[in-house]
Amino acid sequence: DTAVSQTPKYLVTQMGNDKSIKCEQNLGHDTMYWYKQDSKKFLKIMFSYNNKELIINETVPNRFSPKSPDKAHLNLHINSLELGDSAVYFCASSQGQGANEQFFGPGTRLTVL
Amino acid sequence: SQQGEEDPQALSIQEGENATMNCSYKTSINNLQWYRQNSGRGLVHLILIRSNEREKHSGRLRVTLDTSKKSSSLLITASRAADTASYFCAPSGNTPLVFGKGTRLSVIA
Repeated sequence: DTAVSQTPKYLVTQMGNDKSIKCEQNLGHDTMYWYKQDSKKFLKIMFSYNNKELIINETVPNRFSPKSPDKAHLNLHINSLELGDSAVYFCASSQGQGANEQFFGPGTRLTVL
Repeated sequence: SQQGEEDPQALSIQEGENATMNCSYKTSINNLQWYRQNSGRGLVHLILIRSNEREKHSGRLRVTLDTSKKSSSLLITASRAADTASYFCAPSGNTPLVFGKGTRLSVIA
């Protein structure tokens, strides 16, 4: 069984569109994250949720809005997509915040044309 | 939040050789974790070493931690082509993990 799953795996869209990426974890973890990995492979944290509450919001444009309907899900909605949003987005989860092992999803490759 | 800096940025070795990657960080930590990322995949946790440990082994992996120098190393012995991946260190305190740019390891058969 997949521990952390993301859909879709690939997303190709035009500039200006709005899109969502979904993430689900079946590990019973209480903390979930979104990361962005750019073309240079630098992995940067975007958001962190603990028990459905936002605990980290790094310097991310407000076009990005995470939503956590329950502890097992953390979705990412992006408005007015820009070329610079093209990247691979990874969801992850852990039990507790801070220094615990994180489990990553397979990633969603977003291409904005 | 802490961030590790991996060195070298890229490493190419022959199958069977050992690979050593280093990580430096700046703040105090509770533990330090190493992750591997295969091309096109998410990160996979390899090993965690606590701040009061100096060395830890897991299969062909050996991790050392020197808190006085704020550095860690990951040694992969008898490397295989399947070890080709990027390796990231994540020094951990009370805040979520922050990843650096990683070391890209290429193991040539």
